[in-house]
Amino acid sequence: DIQMTQSPSSLSASVGDRVTITCRASQSISSYLNWYQQKPGKAPKLLIYTASSLQSGVPSRFSGSGSGTDFTLTISSLQPEDFATYFCQQSYSTPYTFGQGTKLEIK
Amino acid sequence: EVQLVESGGGLVQPGGSLRLSCAASGFTFSSYSMNWVRQAPGKGLEWVSYISSSSNTIYYADSVKGRFTISRDNAKNSLYLQMNSLRDEDTAVYYCARDVGYCSSTSCSNYFDYWGQGTLVTVSS
Repeated sequence: DIQMTQSPSSLSASVGDRVTITCRASQSISSYLNWYQQKPGKAPKLLIYTASSLQSGVPSRFSGSGSGTDFTLTISSLQPEDFATYFCQQSYSTPYTFGQGTKLEIK
Repeated sequence: EVQLVESGGGLVQPGGSLRLSCAASGFTFSSYSMNWVRQAPGKGLEWVSYISSSSNTIYYADSVKGRFTISRDNAKNSLYLQMNSLRDEDTAVYYCARDVGYCSSTSCSNYFDYWGQGTLVTVSS
């Protein structure tokens, strides 16, 4: 199975900050990496697919990059509604594995 | 509007069975593959199972293989997860998620673009 490791596990930041979350795969997954946002008590929401494609309706302050084993999710200017938990997920092969999550908290 | 609504969760004893349902609306259900993903309380996301649009391709996580069965009824726009021999560690919120597949010139992959609100399964004596 492909292991996905996110860092950091938690992050404190302020409104307006630029934030980067990293996801590393245990083997090359090409660009088959997706990012999801989850708020407490809610279902995950797709943000980015294929490493860098922005899902329709998602604000342009979210961006993704990377290929192979190393990927990043960047939020260019944090907004109050962005405080949530973020998960990466590989879709290169089954089982489709997720990172452990990065909880983004208000500083 | 795409909607996915899970049902069928509840409290069940270890070794028991439960059948989850996911009712789909707002899109052509028969054209999409579907997945079940679960989340134990306070934990991360775990993919459980995948079924193709015509049910001819099915995958399971090793943790549920042989105990869970995914199925669908395209005439009823519904996805199902039959869960048998339930264990404490199966306690989780179970989400159904729509699968969007895409192919480049060399390979194919997918992502989950819509999710239901989830249904809680609690396995406890």
